[in-house]
Amino acid sequence: DTGVSQNPRHKITKRGQNVTFRCDPISEHNRLYWYRQTLGQGPEFLTYFQNEAQLEKSRLLSDRFSAERPKGSFSTLEIQRTEQGDSAMYLCASSPGQGYYGYTFGSGTRLTVV
Amino acid sequence: QKEVEQNSGPLSVPEGAIASLNCTYSDRVSQSFFWYRQYSGKSPELIMSIYSNGDKEDGRFTAQLNKASQYVSLLIRDSQPSDSATYLCAVLSSGTASKLTFGTGTRLQVTL
Repeated sequence: DTGVSQNPRHKITKRGQNVTFRCDPISEHNRLYWYRQTLGQGPEFLTYFQNEAQLEKSRLLSDRFSAERPKGSFSTLEIQRTEQGDSAMYLCASSPGQGYYGYTFGSGTRLTVV
Repeated sequence: QKEVEQNSGPLSVPEGAIASLNCTYSDRVSQSFFWYRQYSGKSPELIMSIYSNGDKEDGRFTAQLNKASQYVSLLIRDSQPSDSATYLCAVLSSGTASKLTFGTGTRLQVTL
């Protein structure tokens, strides 16, 4: 296990379609995080899991966004009825424990909504 | 007030010079601070962490922390063109619901 894996790397979708992204964290990491990053901005927190439990969701997160982490392993982030404003880089990260030593990020999924 | 503030830059320094990147944060009880480097189109990469007041050195990088002033900085000595990137300051919030909050990043350009 060499790192955090995200798929797909790029996704182009038409407005109104649903999309799903997958993240496979480092195997021994029990915490998994989703962030969104737009051009010129820092990563913005979306949600995180400790094992299979979703512990926090950003207040900014629309109800069109949902995330799961079944069995505390990989995670999926789904965006329903995509809008052009959803175009961004979606970053997944994982950490052992509460992130005291920082997070390891995956390569990200770049979403373009046309 | 933003939770983590950085000057967006660009900060331009000549090759071989010292680059100084600064960050302030609002959560007084934060205990863990990080610097990430992000190349254009890539994901953030952790380069430094600091937890105690003072300086922490790792190769050409030095992180400095002043909790009383709520200030974190990153010095890059002998800057190289390959250091040209965006540097993100991140602060781990306190408590069990801890998560990293990022600044907007400072874009560094190292010129020949």
